[in-house]
Amino acid sequence: SQQGEEDPQALSIQEGENATMNCSYKTSINNLQWYRQNSGRGLVHLILIRSNEREKHSGRLRVTLDTSKKSSSLLITASRAADTASYFCATDASFNKFYFGSGTKLNVKP
Amino acid sequence: DAGVIQSPRHEVTEMGQEVTLRCKPISGHNSLFWYRQTMMRGLELLIYFNNNVPIDDSGMPEDRFSAKMPNASFSTLKIQPSEPRDSAVYFCASSRGTGELFFGEGSRLTVL
Repeated sequence: SQQGEEDPQALSIQEGENATMNCSYKTSINNLQWYRQNSGRGLVHLILIRSNEREKHSGRLRVTLDTSKKSSSLLITASRAADTASYFCATDASFNKFYFGSGTKLNVKP
Repeated sequence: DAGVIQSPRHEVTEMGQEVTLRCKPISGHNSLFWYRQTMMRGLELLIYFNNNVPIDDSGMPEDRFSAKMPNASFSTLKIQPSEPRDSAVYFCASSRGTGELFFGEGSRLTVL
């Protein structure tokens, strides 16, 4: 990809379990974002974390950022079948230029 | 509020034909982005505009691709002539400068 990579590429869990996805990127960033994409749909913004932040929460989502390791993680707690989607991280290495990783495909089994 | 609107949602065309994809950003947003998504290459940033001005088109694959934004409420991405390797889903996204991108539902292009 142009900037980052998610890990794992695919993840299958049972409803109620937690899901953790990781993102690594290559250059210094201003902020990092996570997006969700349901099959056949556009991407939807989930959460943004700035380079001077280490952790951020939004509902069942928890995002961490380690700029020294150039990595971020997205934790979805108490997953639901409706969380089944692909998840992407996006970074802006320069003003307004957002690059997306290759995505993690999450399957939550009911 | 209406989101980002893209048309057509699906386009099937033959190699060599001209393709025009259209995008209406969210009113009040001053940045507009065109992305291409394929299984092989993921999401690629093709070009972005700020206040209707193209800022960076380094992601445009070749001269067959061109993009315009004649006003704040409309943008086009044109491929002429189209080739089978251009088959992909093309997304338009807009932003008001806060960092959050709002995506359209995409235009799925198939070039035979």
